[in-house]
Amino acid sequence: EPEVTQTPSHQVTQMGQEVILRCVPISNHLYFYWYRQILGQKVEFLVSFYNNEISEKSEIFDDQFSVERPDGSNFTLKIRSTKLEDSAMYFCASSEALTSVSYEQYFGPGTRLTVT
Amino acid sequence: QKEVEQDPGPLSVPEGAIVSLNCTYSNSAFQYFMWYRQYSRKGPELLMYTYSSGNKEDGRFTAQVDKSSKYISLFIRDSQPSDSATYLCAMSGSGGSYIPTFGRGTSLIVHP
Repeated sequence: EPEVTQTPSHQVTQMGQEVILRCVPISNHLYFYWYRQILGQKVEFLVSFYNNEISEKSEIFDDQFSVERPDGSNFTLKIRSTKLEDSAMYFCASSEALTSVSYEQYFGPGTRLTVT
Repeated sequence: QKEVEQDPGPLSVPEGAIVSLNCTYSNSAFQYFMWYRQYSRKGPELLMYTYSSGNKEDGRFTAQVDKSSKYISLFIRDSQPSDSATYLCAMSGSGGSYIPTFGRGTSLIVHP
């Protein structure tokens, strides 16, 4: 069964450093998403991406964040200058078409980012 | 007032019990109501969704939406140890966006 994969599973970085989180969405999916979940808190939407453009983003997704689809398979989230409060689990998701509930978002297993 | 409220639990039940999981919400514009299941060290997985008010049944799972009360429920019949997971409610459709707004999740433990 096709699945979304994410690397690394755990990333430790120092405050102020740049990190890139990587995702390989399901191959025939066209819409891609990043979410984050701070420990003990809700899953929060960051950004959605379609046709090489951001289609929707939340207030959390400020100038320190960027997304890219550098090739035909990877989808990345870059955090330019990490802060302690960026420590969270970051989930990538993809969907076949424009998200309505009937087009399910498939989530990856997440990357745990720890900023020290 | 938070948009989606969900008791984090944990909720511990014996195998075979009927489980009731609930969420309340404040945004009356939500149209789609979803339940996700999240196993440890995994991403959320869509379990069921319902449009507007009403009930939906899928095997041992029943989702209920009461828009007048802004209250949704997930019932699990004949619960199994394999149902042990965190259950996240989520809602969307406000302002034309299908991006889900999640609750905190309820941790369910079904013990043999």
